[in-house]
Amino acid sequence: NAGVMQNPRHLVRRRGQEARLRCSPMKGHSHVYWYRQLPEEGLKFMVYLQKENIIDESGMPKERFSAEFPKEGPSILRIQQVVRGDSAAYFCASSPLDTDTQYFGPGTRLTVL
Amino acid sequence: SQQGEEDPQALSIQEGENATMNCSYKTSINNLQWYRQNSGRGLVHLILIRSNEREKHSGRLRVTLDTSKKSSSLLITASRAADTASYFCATDLGGGSNYKLTFGKGTLLTVNP
Repeated sequence: NAGVMQNPRHLVRRRGQEARLRCSPMKGHSHVYWYRQLPEEGLKFMVYLQKENIIDESGMPKERFSAEFPKEGPSILRIQQVVRGDSAAYFCASSPLDTDTQYFGPGTRLTVL
Repeated sequence: SQQGEEDPQALSIQEGENATMNCSYKTSINNLQWYRQNSGRGLVHLILIRSNEREKHSGRLRVTLDTSKKSSSLLITASRAADTASYFCATDLGGGSNYKLTFGKGTLLTVNP
């Protein structure tokens, strides 16, 4: 059973470009969570999704950020018009139920030049 | 202090010694989890302890939870150089938002050979 997969592992974008981060949950997991980790900081919750539904996006910046988890395919975290402050590690986690342990992927490290 | 704050910030010990890390939190929780993160890597889940549990063991790990003091400790016995990593506690917010994990800044553990 493969773990949570994220790609790309490293992503470099120039200011103003778009960043797309992908996450494939563990097999059998229908709950996906995105977190952001700034340098020297702990992870901060961004959004919680189930298939075709955004359950809680209270941690998402109001502008430029969006997330989806379609019926087929991976979950996508999309950042439009990136700025230097978006540089961070973005982690995806999944769980079979929202009360269970969250298993994290290896993260995508976004660098905005 | 923020929810899920670890103490100490950094800990350096010799191989074979025990390492104890503490976590304090502010609000009621359903679960508390401990994760390990090697430098530049993803998070590895170590152990989950529920609010109605006081102590839990897993291999060389021992976790305690004191809900009256809103604190938890992680003990690693007979430490190894491979235990060198950052350790984070993650708490949920209880109630209906138990999926929303809050992480502290972590304890950086260095085990010297």
